[in-house]
Amino acid sequence: EAGVAQSPRYKIIEKRQSVAFWCNPISGHATLYWYQQILGQGPKLLIQFQNNGVVDDSQLPKDRFSAERLKGVDSTLKIQPAKLEDSAVYLCASSLDRWANEKLFFGSGTQLSVL
Amino acid sequence: DAKTTQPNSMESNEEEPVHLPCNHSTISGTDYIHWYRQLPSQGPEYVIHGLTSNVNNRMASMAIAEDRKSSTLILHRATLRDAAVYYCILKGMTTDSWGKLQFGAGTQVVVTP
Repeated sequence: EAGVAQSPRYKIIEKRQSVAFWCNPISGHATLYWYQQILGQGPKLLIQFQNNGVVDDSQLPKDRFSAERLKGVDSTLKIQPAKLEDSAVYLCASSLDRWANEKLFFGSGTQLSVL
Repeated sequence: DAKTTQPNSMESNEEEPVHLPCNHSTISGTDYIHWYRQLPSQGPEYVIHGLTSNVNNRMASMAIAEDRKSSTLILHRATLRDAAVYYCILKGMTTDSWGKLQFGAGTQVVVTP
């Protein structure tokens, strides 16, 4: 079974530039999550999709971050413009559904460095 | 959101059992207890989950207190590959928490040869 695919693996940009991350979840998974993990901390949930609808984006900095999940499959997370504090690993995860007993599968993440 | 409390770090010798405690005194009746681990430079990996009864799988066991306010992840024979950060997380089904998996700081497990 193919896992959660993310690209790119690494990205280096200068502050105020834009960047986009792509995620392809496991086939058939209805729920998709984006997390931000700053060095030394646990992952922080940014946004949760159920199919192509947003069910939680309470921790997404909406003035600069946006995300979409067209057709309920692939998803893109964008930062525009980037700040130094956005340097982190961005993790995508998916699960079959959002029931409490469903487990999440994580991708390897995109490591973003903002200079 | 219901929170969990874990020790910052634990050390174990290779081939010895490891018992990782987790306190979750504000757990609600519909919250499942999940454990994930994160190896260096990788995304988190599912370990085990349960509701009320003790559970086992090929990776680990989890013992859940009768009042559900605490749980313990048990790695039966630690290997060097088990060195990772282990996260204990409550996953619920209330309106505010449905499907969310909110990570804390976790426990850094160090395995010594």
